[in-house]
Amino acid sequence: EDKVVQSPLSLVVHEGDTVTLNCSYEVTNFRSLLWYKQEKKAPTFLFMLTSSGIEKKSGRLSSILDKKELFSILNITATQTGDSAVYLCAVEPYNTDKLIFGTGTRLQVFP
Amino acid sequence: SQTIHQWPATLVQPVGSPLSLECTVEGTSNPNLYWYRQAAGRGLQLLFYSVGIGQISSEVPQNLSASRPQDRQFILSSKKLLLSDSGFYLCAWSLAGGGTQYFGPGTRLLVL
Repeated sequence: EDKVVQSPLSLVVHEGDTVTLNCSYEVTNFRSLLWYKQEKKAPTFLFMLTSSGIEKKSGRLSSILDKKELFSILNITATQTGDSAVYLCAVEPYNTDKLIFGTGTRLQVFP
Repeated sequence: SQTIHQWPATLVQPVGSPLSLECTVEGTSNPNLYWYRQAAGRGLQLLFYSVGIGQISSEVPQNLSASRPQDRQFILSSKKLLLSDSGFYLCAWSLAGGGTQYFGPGTRLLVL
């Protein structure tokens, strides 16, 4: 059965800290991996990764995929209180039109 | 650019009452459409998805149903709500063939 596992489940840090969120997967016919940020509303898209070793970067957020070891990490540097959210990882297999979501990592950033 | 709308934003309904949630997408044609439910503190559960008008795939057997009467309209319904139907309902769209999904603002449903 296809599955996506995120760790840690929850993380509490202070502003300015750097955090690393993990996503591992077991999926038949992997197509892509996506990261979303969810505050108290709908998830917003962050990154889509399809190739190993190529870092995607947006401001203080970056992500990379390892298709050999079947995982991805999301890094956030110099965290701010506005980074507090649930971060969701999802994987899309080929020929399904569906995403398989992990349960998310809840990040809390305190001043 | 594409936009996705959902309404209502919040809803409080008694047990046993009917439900109709609507989702519409603008700025794209023939999208894939999806309904998810998220219980408090939980992950996203895919309920239904559609790759075209009148084409509905159900992921979880339950008392909910979905319909796609028009290309960019997706409706989630129930004839009789249960307490367990409470949650945050999200509609999403993607281009035909899948890929990145973009979510609507969601509907918070509380069944009492």
